[in-house]
Amino acid sequence: DAKTTQPTSMDCAEGRAANLPCNHSTISGNEYVYWYRQIHSQGPQYIIHGLKNNETNEMASLIITEDRKSSTLILPHATLRDTAVYYCIVPLNSGGYQKVTFGTGTKLQVIP
Amino acid sequence: EAQVTQNPRYLITVTGKKLTVTCSQNMNHEYMSWYRQDPGLGLRQIYYSMNVEVTDKGDVPEGYKVSRKEKRNFPLILESPSPNQTSLYFCASSMRGQQPQHFGDGTRLSIL
Repeated sequence: DAKTTQPTSMDCAEGRAANLPCNHSTISGNEYVYWYRQIHSQGPQYIIHGLKNNETNEMASLIITEDRKSSTLILPHATLRDTAVYYCIVPLNSGGYQKVTFGTGTKLQVIP
Repeated sequence: EAQVTQNPRYLITVTGKKLTVTCSQNMNHEYMSWYRQDPGLGLRQIYYSMNVEVTDKGDVPEGYKVSRKEKRNFPLILESPSPNQTSLYFCASSMRGQQPQHFGDGTRLSIL
């Protein structure tokens, strides 16, 4: 996998945008960036992914820099339910499947 | 509803007593995988399966066995559990080993 680096923790005020950064400076040209989140000790949940262009879905937006060495996940109006650990991953195609390494992610605390 | 179902959700047992954690998915996914999650270590892959009767070791396979006799089921077997296997376990599945993976709700095992 391309190594990813995320801050250990972040706080965000309820109703404000939460911007979660991720560095992936060794990413290859055809590797996607995926974001998952894990609420408390539930199973990780897929949020969004992208290759080059910015992406948006009903959960979040993903901004990828032009050199693709970093990205930012944006939760436009954070709620208390968004308190979770957020993982940025770059899967490696290996033996016909995508091998992923989930690091320790960013623990986002949304504050009332 | 598309889901990955793990059972049991919680189990406290003693060293050496064989146990099986079941995992079932209803999405007709080819790929299934088991992870364990320990504080400070992120999610680590134990075993994975690309399809029926095809399994392979992940990063931390020691002390575990798996089988894939049917597409929907991928049980995790601990033949002789030890305290260092106390952990939170997740099963996941996906189409053809690609992202996104769909995770179960987790099984918390305590081996005394």
